Amino acid sequence: GAGVSQSPSNKVTEKGKDVELRCDPISGHTALYWYRQSLGQGLEFLIYFQGNSAPDKSGLPSDRFSAERTGGSVSTLTIQRTQQEDSAVYLCASSYTRDSYNEQFFGPGTRLTVL
Amino acid sequence: GENVEQHPSTLSVQEGDSAVIKCTYSDSASNYFPWYKQELGKRPQLIIDIRSNVGEKKDQRIAVTLNKTAKHFSLHITETQPEDSAVYFCAASINGGSQGNLIFGKGTKLSVKP
Repeated sequence: GAGVSQSPSNKVTEKGKDVELRCDPISGHTALYWYRQSLGQGLEFLIYFQGNSAPDKSGLPSDRFSAERTGGSVSTLTIQRTQQEDSAVYLCASSYTRDSYNEQFFGPGTRLTVL
Repeated sequence: GENVEQHPSTLSVQEGDSAVIKCTYSDSASNYFPWYKQELGKRPQLIIDIRSNVGEKKDQRIAVTLNKTAKHFSLHITETQPEDSAVYFCAASINGGSQGNLIFGKGTKLSVKP
């Protein structure tokens, strides 16, 4: 079946602009996660959704970052007033349930470049 | 919160040799430890995981060991092949509740030379 998909695959934007990154999880997966991967760094947890709610937003780097999920499916990560330090690959993952024993399946990522 | 340290950051081995990557975690309540492999330009994929109720798990050429007392776990790859070249990430989490987020190490870039 179809895996996790993300769009766009690449995004180049100017400093100060807003960007929206989209994630389509595997059908039936109730848990959805956003991570950020900077060059040479690990996977930095940003936020997770169980259904449409986001109980843990502790990983969001600043109030310029927000995310929503509608219909228990598609999620959008929005970065307002982008800064150069926001440049990174943004990865989305989904799992069948919130139970961490369930494998997280990753999308291909969106490479964001802020000029 | 949980903190995961991973070493080494880079590892180069000859084809056929073994490779070992080590991780330590800080939260003694962590009970789930997966390993992900990320090939160049591709998405991370789970290769093996271990729960805190066992000390070792094997799957063909890869194995993971866990020492709960010392709070460290390791990935062992035997008879390495060029296709094992990738970045490997360890992670730790506390299963269930609000603590179930995976906290990842910074990764180990493994290069297997033919």
